[in-house]
This record gives sequence, C-alpha cells and structure tokens, in this order.
Amino acid sequence: AQKVTQAQTEISVVEKEDVTLDCVYETRDTTYYLFWYKQPPSGELVFLIRRNSFDEQNEISGRYSWNFQKSTSSFNFTITASQVVDSAVYFCALSGARAAGNKLTFGGGTRVLVKP
Amino acid sequence: DGGITQSPKYLFRKEGQNVTLSCEQNLNHDAMYWYRQDPGQGLRLIYYSQIVNDFQKGDIAEGYSVSREKKESFPLTVTSAQKNPTAFYLCASSTAWNSGNTIYFGEGSWLTVV
Repeated sequence: AQKVTQAQTEISVVEKEDVTLDCVYETRDTTYYLFWYKQPPSGELVFLIRRNSFDEQNEISGRYSWNFQKSTSSFNFTITASQVVDSAVYFCALSGARAAGNKLTFGGGTRVLVKP
Repeated sequence: DGGITQSPKYLFRKEGQNVTLSCEQNLNHDAMYWYRQDPGQGLRLIYYSQIVNDFQKGDIAEGYSVSREKKESFPLTVTSAQKNPTAFYLCASSTAWNSGNTIYFGEGSWLTVV
C-alpha cells in the first residue's frame, strides 16, 4: 500500500523567512512519481512539480526548491523568502507504477501562513 | 483559455435530494477524475474515467454516480444514499490514465446539506 505523510499540519512564518515542508512517502514500486500541489484559499489545486523516482536531482523554480532523497523516502519543499501570497495549503502526492493507473495518494496537507 | 470548469461553486442540498455537479474541460484530456476533500484533510478519489464512455469506482464511490458521454464532460451526481455529502468536490483531468501523468484540477464545488 502507498502512503504519504506530511507531519507538519500548520506552519506560521513572518514574510521573508524561509519555510520547508516535509513529505515522507512509502511505496513498494521501483518506479513512481511525486507531486506537489498548492491550494490557495480559493480552493483550486495548483500543480507545482512532478518528479519521477529515477531523477534525484534537486530542482529550483524561482523561490521554490525541492529536495528529493530516495534514501530517506522524502521529497521536501522549500519556499525561500516567503511572501503573503504563499499562504496556502500544500499537498504532497504519490503515484506508483504498480498502482491501478494514475491514482494519486495524497498526504494530509500542510497549511502555511505567511504574516506580513 | 484552456482549463477545467466546475459549476456551481456553491450548492446547498436538502436531505434526500440528488444533486449533480458539472465538470467541463477543454484540454483534450482523455482521463477525468472526481475527488472529495473534507475540512483539514487530503483528497480521496470518488470516480475516474480513462476514456469517453468508460468510468470506474475509486476509493469512496458509494452514494455517487457519474457519466462520461462526451470527452470534455464528467458530471458527478451525489445521491441521497451518500450519508455525509457535505464536502468540497474537485474535478480533475490528465492527458491519459497512465501512472505519472500530471493531474490538473478545477476550482472545486462546495456542497452543503441543509
């Protein structure tokens, strides 16, 4: 069975601080895919990144960066110099190749509150 | 603009009534999905459709029904058999059903039972 754990339920920071969101996953698949989504107060889930299990390179996109470590089954997400607009719930998700098609397993989400 | 449109955004239902949530996409995606989100929790899969005229139950299909008569449309009916329907419903789509395809989401619909 697949499982995604986001241990931090809520993080509060002051603007310009860095914030790191933890994501730990469990899967028996050797090929799998990891995702991060952002859910602002409006409700829509916004796709941020997709990473396959064979690509352990860290990635940076503007103020966002991701650290994928297969050895610890983690796919952590860092927001650098946070802004008020970063306030949202962030979800980590997993899709395994052995699973029935494109079925995503979501973590419980981490709420980020950025105060001005 | 390409995207996924859900309607209505807010819907109130009396107990015992069926309601239908609309989902339309113009991304030319084959696969479509319905997820349910309860407050403070992650998303759970209700139904999915790999291709037009096909659909399969997800993890929590009881009390729900869907149809996929057109590629761009995947409406969800919440029936009176659904014991606790108050939730946030998200429609989504991807190019195909193969594992690893990025799933894109609509803006969601809030359903409240009164």
